Amino acid sequence: DAGVTQSPTHLIKTRGQQVTLRCSPKSGHDTVSWYQQALGQGPQFIFQYYEEEERQRGNFPDRFSGHQFPNYSSELNVNALLLGDSALYLCASSPTGLRGYTFGSGTRLTVV
Amino acid sequence: GENVEQHPSTLSVQEGDSAVIKCTYSDSASNYFPWYKQELGKRPQLIIDIRSNVGEKKDQRIAVTLNKTAKHFSLHITETQPEDSAVYFCAALRSTDKLIFGTGTRLQVFP
Repeated sequence: DAGVTQSPTHLIKTRGQQVTLRCSPKSGHDTVSWYQQALGQGPQFIFQYYEEEERQRGNFPDRFSGHQFPNYSSELNVNALLLGDSALYLCASSPTGLRGYTFGSGTRLTVV
Repeated sequence: GENVEQHPSTLSVQEGDSAVIKCTYSDSASNYFPWYKQELGKRPQLIIDIRSNVGEKKDQRIAVTLNKTAKHFSLHITETQPEDSAVYFCAALRSTDKLIFGTGTRLQVFP
């Protein structure tokens, strides 16, 4: 039983570019949340998807957008990249109504 | 707003000693409190969690206590070992809401 898988594992982009990160949730999980973890800090909530809709959102600009597909997988898109967007992006999945968050290994994004 | 404070930011202990990390949350509707261990370059791993209807939970050398009135919860690690060295995060969750993380505690266990 695969856990949460994220791709790619590492990514280097230039300021102003756009990036798409991908996440496949753990089997049986239908809710996907995305977090940004800057170096030396705790994960910060970006948004959460359930039933293919954004259910709630953290304090991130509209440059951050996402999508959830019918198979529950999800994408995180970031437009007009800034140097400050460099971070580890974590995807976490959970089953409906329960608390069992499982994190993926993350995508380390470096913006130069 | 929603906030989780975590102390201390760094903690150094001798192997075999106990370590205690404390967190305070602001949202009284929070009802689930997980603790995560994150090793360098790796994902956060759930090590123990507690729900609001329980005051204490123990799993071998790890225990968590919750004081709902004071909105405090703590992680206790006994008989620490060098492999316990990592960054530990507390978090609070309200229903199906988002996890709010603390700022992390870097634990170093010296042999």
